[in-house]
Amino acid sequence: EVQLVESGGGLVKPGGSLRLSCAASGFTFSSYSMNWVRQAPGKGLEWVSSISVTSSYISYADSVKGRFTVSRDNAKNSLFLQLNSLRAEDTAVYYCARERWRSSDTFEIWGQGTLVTVSS
Amino acid sequence: EIVLTQSPGTLSLSPGERATLSCRASQSISSSYLAWYQQKPGQAPRLLIYGASSRATGIPDRFSGSGSGTDFTLTISRLEPEDFAVYYCQQYGSSPLYTFGQGTKLEIK
Repeated sequence: EVQLVESGGGLVKPGGSLRLSCAASGFTFSSYSMNWVRQAPGKGLEWVSSISVTSSYISYADSVKGRFTVSRDNAKNSLFLQLNSLRAEDTAVYYCARERWRSSDTFEIWGQGTLVTVSS
Repeated sequence: EIVLTQSPGTLSLSPGERATLSCRASQSISSSYLAWYQQKPGQAPRLLIYGASSRATGIPDRFSGSGSGTDFTLTISRLEPEDFAVYYCQQYGSSPLYTFGQGTKLEIK
């Protein structure tokens, strides 16, 4: 079964840091670009970051550029998102999402999400 | 930045009826890069349609997508009880790399 499982969310104070992980299984992780998408409570979806197969191409939304860092470990079938200088507006469920095969235009497989709450 | 505007914000229909959801882009986008997702409460989004009109794996044929340029439509031909959810359109290719519409809530009348 193709599966993505996020972890690492929690409550953090403004200015703090957190590292999210996404464990992939059921497919060849090293063959797919991966993404992070977030959803603030009661709000819509917002793309956060993308990373290519070999990590040679990385992109961020302007809202997180300079504060968040995406990375991956193909040997461990894992995707990561380092969140620094967190703000209240970063409070959201963070989803990892896999592209369609050889097509980075859509998010075909999603994890269940991990909640990040930034509050003092 | 391309902005996607979905309408209506909320659509109230009964099972068995036809649903038509709209997604309008602030500038022309390639139909190859327009997708639709369904999200139910407490769940992750699910890909329904990619390339404006191609159904994703396992999606019933009552779901169809159409459109080009700036105007795109998701149609559900005959609503089933499990179809009541929030629907998002999404585009790829312009800065930011991906953008989503604000969503249409499809509720039971």
